[in-house]
Amino acid sequence: EVQLVESGGGLVQPGGSLILSCAASGFTFSGSAVHWVRQASGKGLEWVGHIGSKTKSYATVYGESVKGRFTISRDDSKNTAYLQMNSLKTEDTAVYYCLPVTSPGTKYYFDYWGQGTLVTVSS
Amino acid sequence: QSALTQPASVSGSPGQSITISCTGTSSDVGIYNLVSWYQQHPGKAPKVMIFEVYKRPSGVSNRFSGSKSGNTASLTISGLQAEDEADYYCCSYAGRFTWVFGGGTKLTVL
Repeated sequence: EVQLVESGGGLVQPGGSLILSCAASGFTFSGSAVHWVRQASGKGLEWVGHIGSKTKSYATVYGESVKGRFTISRDDSKNTAYLQMNSLKTEDTAVYYCLPVTSPGTKYYFDYWGQGTLVTVSS
Repeated sequence: QSALTQPASVSGSPGQSITISCTGTSSDVGIYNLVSWYQQHPGKAPKVMIFEVYKRPSGVSNRFSGSKSGNTASLTISGLQAEDEADYYCCSYAGRFTWVFGGGTKLTVL
C-alpha cells in the first residue's frame, strides 16, 4: 500500500525559509518522479514542481510562481523527497502535497495523495 | 502557465446529469490527451476520477465520464447523487514536464 507522510510545515515569517519532507513507502521510490502541489485555503490546486528519478538525472521543473525560490530534492536511500522554500511570501500559504508517480502508467496524473502539510507565511 | 478555466459552480438535482467544462489552450488541453479530473470533498485530499481525458481508475463509478473537443475538456456526471457534491478540478499536462490545474468547480446537488 502506498503511503505518503508530508511533514515540516508550520508558521514562518515573510522572507523566511522552510523545508518540507515527504516520506514514501509501498512502491519503488527510487524509480519514481515526485511532484509537489499546493492548495491555499479555500482556493484551487496549483502545481509547484517535480523531480525526476535517477534515470532522468534528477531533473527538476518548477511552476512560474515559485521558480528561483523553491528547490525540490530527494534522498532515495531514505525514500524521501524534499521541498526547500526560500524567500517565502504570504501568498505561499497553503497545504502542500507530495505526489509520486508510482508506475509508468500513472506518469501524467496524480493517483496518490497524502494528508498534506500546512505552511503559513505570516508576520 | 495560466490556469485552466472552469466554471465556479454548477448544480443539479439528484438523478440528473451535469457537465463541467475545462478550457485551456493549444499548448495544453488542445495538444495533449492528458487531462485528468479530481474530486475533493471538504477537508479531504483530492481523488482522481478521470485520467487521460476519458479513462476511469479502478473503483470510480461509471457515472463519471470525460471527453475533450479542441481546447476544452469536459467531465460529465450522470445520475447525480448527494455524495457527488464536492469541488472538482481539471488538470492537464502542458509540455516540458509542466502541469496546469483549473481553478475548480463547486458542484451542488440540490
